[in-house]
Amino acid sequence: LAKTTQPISMDSYEGQEVNITCSHNNIATNDYITWYQQFPSQGPRFIIQGYKTKVTNEVASLFIPADRKSSTLSLPRVSLSDTAVYYCLVGEPDSGAGSYQLTFGKGTKLSVIP
Amino acid sequence: DAGVTQSPTHLIKTRGQQVTLRCSPKSGHDTVSWYQQALGQGPQFIFQYYEEEERQRGNFPDRFSGHQFPNYSSELNVNALLLGDSALYLCASSLAYSSGNLIDTQYFGPGTRLTVL
Repeated sequence: LAKTTQPISMDSYEGQEVNITCSHNNIATNDYITWYQQFPSQGPRFIIQGYKTKVTNEVASLFIPADRKSSTLSLPRVSLSDTAVYYCLVGEPDSGAGSYQLTFGKGTKLSVIP
Repeated sequence: DAGVTQSPTHLIKTRGQQVTLRCSPKSGHDTVSWYQQALGQGPQFIFQYYEEEERQRGNFPDRFSGHQFPNYSSELNVNALLLGDSALYLCASSLAYSSGNLIDTQYFGPGTRLTVL
């Protein structure tokens, strides 16, 4: 399983764009990159997933350079409710029952300031 | 459509006791994974159940055991509790053979907060 490295914490003002970068130098060919969000005393919630280039959904964008050794989660115009811990995970898609487990690091604690 | 549910919400035990935590997967899901999350840490994988069998296991001692029932619900049992077992225990459900096969298919419950005194 590829190891990921993220900043421990980040602060941002409301309305700003936030970019959180994750390093995964030993990512494997079949690995996907997934980001989860977790609020205190709640289970993690899926945000976005990608393999290469750029992926965008209604809440975030994910930028992945050609070498795939890092990725950047971009949250546009954050609000106070975006204050949470964000986890970057790297793993291979499920190829059958019981074939994968999610490996979480310590994540990045994002604090949005009014 | 109910998501993943867990019970109880909170639990207080003393060292040496045994505890059972319960999880009902999201409707339509057949696979349940359990994670332990200590304060300030990311969730750590305990094990995964599919077809009522343990399919994968993380680096946890045999004191941690589980069960999956025919209706796909699951239990996590921890024997001989230690102070270090105090954590948020998360259950995640998924579909073993989902179209697209993306690893985003795990849905987490709210967790059970276990405190060992």
